[in-house]
Amino acid sequence: DAGVTQSPTHLIKTRGQHVTLRCSPISGHKSVSWYQQVLGQGPQFIFQYYEKEERGRGNFPDRFSARQFPNYSSELNVNALLLGDSALYLCASSLDPGTFPLLAKNIQYFGAGTRLSVL
Amino acid sequence: KNEVEQSPQNLTAQEGEFITINCSYSVGISALHWLQQHPGGGIVSLFMLSSGKKKHGRLIATINIQEKHSSLHITASHPRDSAVYICAVQETSGSRLTFGEGTQLTVNP
Repeated sequence: DAGVTQSPTHLIKTRGQHVTLRCSPISGHKSVSWYQQVLGQGPQFIFQYYEKEERGRGNFPDRFSARQFPNYSSELNVNALLLGDSALYLCASSLDPGTFPLLAKNIQYFGAGTRLSVL
Repeated sequence: KNEVEQSPQNLTAQEGEFITINCSYSVGISALHWLQQHPGGGIVSLFMLSSGKKKHGRLIATINIQEKHSSLHITASHPRDSAVYICAVQETSGSRLTFGEGTQLTVNP
């Protein structure tokens, strides 16, 4: 079975440009989350989507946006790129976004990430 | 102060040594994850814990909910264990993960 797939694997952009990153979840998973990992730091939560609706948003500016499609794949868009946006962008999928008490179906599975370099 | 703190930040060991990585958190959680990240960025989920202890091969993870503390142990370490190990907590308010800064482990032959 295919795991979470992200594309592209690497991307180089210049300041002011915009970028679209793509994520395909594991088959049957309906929840997708996006994380940003700056070099040397732990990942930071950006967005979570479930059934095409935004379920959570981290502390990121409005330049960051995302959407989820009917097939549960997702795109992360970043406008007006800054040097500080250079990072590894990780996508994770799960069966559902998570309820309490936690069940095994809430486990998030991560893709290999897209490494974005902004010059 | 970070909600999730790991120690040590960096750890170098000789092949065969017993390794412990610690994680402390300050929020109420429904689960704690231990993740492994290899060079290039891909993250692999090692464990999800909500209580007690789990074991998988040479890896053991424990959690003490009352003390808000978890440990990841690696027995008989091997150079292929070299990676960044990340602790992440899933808060009771939702499923969002909050990550620690990670522990860079290097196991020398």
